[in-house]
Amino acid sequence: SQQGEEDPQALSIQEGENATMNCSYKTSINNLQWYRQNSGRGLVHLILIRSNEREKHSGRLRVTLDTSKKSSSLLITASRAADTASYFCATLNNNDMRFGAGTRLTVKP
Amino acid sequence: SQTIHQWPATLVQPVGSPLSLECTVEGTSNPNLYWYRQAAGRGLQLLFYSVGIGQISSEVPQNLSASRPQDRQFILSSKKLLLSDSGFYLCAWSEWGRAGNQPQHFGDGTRLSIL
Repeated sequence: SQQGEEDPQALSIQEGENATMNCSYKTSINNLQWYRQNSGRGLVHLILIRSNEREKHSGRLRVTLDTSKKSSSLLITASRAADTASYFCATLNNNDMRFGAGTRLTVKP
Repeated sequence: SQTIHQWPATLVQPVGSPLSLECTVEGTSNPNLYWYRQAAGRGLQLLFYSVGIGQISSEVPQNLSASRPQDRQFILSSKKLLLSDSGFYLCAWSEWGRAGNQPQHFGDGTRLSIL
């Protein structure tokens, strides 16, 4: 069964705008990871944030984690058409890793 | 650098036929290995994971089995495919250690269609 739930299910923006995707989960976690998937391809790891961390950055990506609200957000700044993909959060609780259903991001040129 | 190979990319099989999907990893030793299934427009469902040769953990009861005959080889099998086995199958690896504490690296997947 899935643990994380991404919101929104689909997001369409113009190139240059920022994209924010959210992930909510139900149980305590050890870490939370964000992945990207281009259509028909495997997933690519973006960022791992541990339960004792609140924010991490990687290039144009910013991830926040609020364990009190059991939620995380992924912000992509200055989006590009090449950012078009599905984005998934995955939570780890002990040895149990669960993926959400993903947010489908479309960036229009 | 590490690479993961998964094949075939697409497969069309009749109901009741056997299945063998293979995944190999290069450039690392003793990786954790994973098989996932992804339904259209959905997230990933973990099917099997392995922390070493011959060590397989199954997450859900199903028509599939997995084997790890070599350190960097992971095979997904079925004796008789069902229509419900259709989907996108992904193999992944992570560094040895507690599963999930390291990023997972995915192959390009196999699109399996059962007719």
